[in-house]
Amino acid sequence: GAVVSQHPSWVICKSGTSVKIECRSLDFQATTMFWYRQFPKQSLMLMATSNEGSKATYEQGVEKDKFLINHASLTLSTLTVTSAHPEDSSFYICSALGDRYGYTFGSGTRLTVV
Amino acid sequence: SQQGEEDPQALSIQEGENATMNCSYKTSINNLQWYRQNSGRGLVHLILIRSNEREKHSGRLRVTLDTSKKSSSLLITASRAADTASYFCAPYNNNDMRFGAGTRLTVKP
Repeated sequence: GAVVSQHPSWVICKSGTSVKIECRSLDFQATTMFWYRQFPKQSLMLMATSNEGSKATYEQGVEKDKFLINHASLTLSTLTVTSAHPEDSSFYICSALGDRYGYTFGSGTRLTVV
Repeated sequence: SQQGEEDPQALSIQEGENATMNCSYKTSINNLQWYRQNSGRGLVHLILIRSNEREKHSGRLRVTLDTSKKSSSLLITASRAADTASYFCAPYNNNDMRFGAGTRLTVKP
C-alpha cells in the first residue's frame, strides 16, 4: 500500500525561527499534496494544495508568506513555517494524492513554538 | 467548500454496543471517505464510498450514503475500547476534500 512519510514527528522551536516539515511519498508519485493544520480538539483545516512544479494554492486566511510550500518533485513537498510564533503551535498533517491509492496521510508533525 | 459535518460531536458507549455517526454535506461529490484519528496522531483511512454506491461494509464498519439527502452514516458494530478515537467524514469532489469537526467516540470497557 501507499506510504507517506512526514518528518519531523515533533519539533520545538524558539519564537522567530523557521521550521521545515517534509512530506514524502515513499512508493508512489503524488502530483498533488495537501497540507492541513489541526488545533487541539478541532478538525483538520486545509491550509494549501500543492502541485508538483507549480505554486501552491492557499486557502483563505492562510498567509502564503508565512507558510512556504514547495513541491519540487513528485514525491516531496515541504512546508516551512517562517518566523514562527506561539500561535503557530499546532499539529500539521500532509496528504498525498496518488492515482492508484487515492489520499494517503502522513503521521503528522506536532509543532510547539516557545 | 466540500466540508462534511459530523453528528454527534461526542459519543460515549459501552464496549460491545454499536456506534453510529452521521455526516452531512452541501454539494455534489465523487465519493465520501471516513477517517479515524487517535489522539494527536495521523489519520487512518477507513472506507471510501462512491457516489453511485448506497452501502459498503468493511469488517465491523458499515457505511451508507444517501446522495439525495447529502448524508452518510458510519456504523461500528460490537465496539471495542480500541475503537476510541475521533472519526471524520470527508466529502470529495474534484480534488477538493475537507473535514468536518469529527465525532469523538469513547468506548468504555
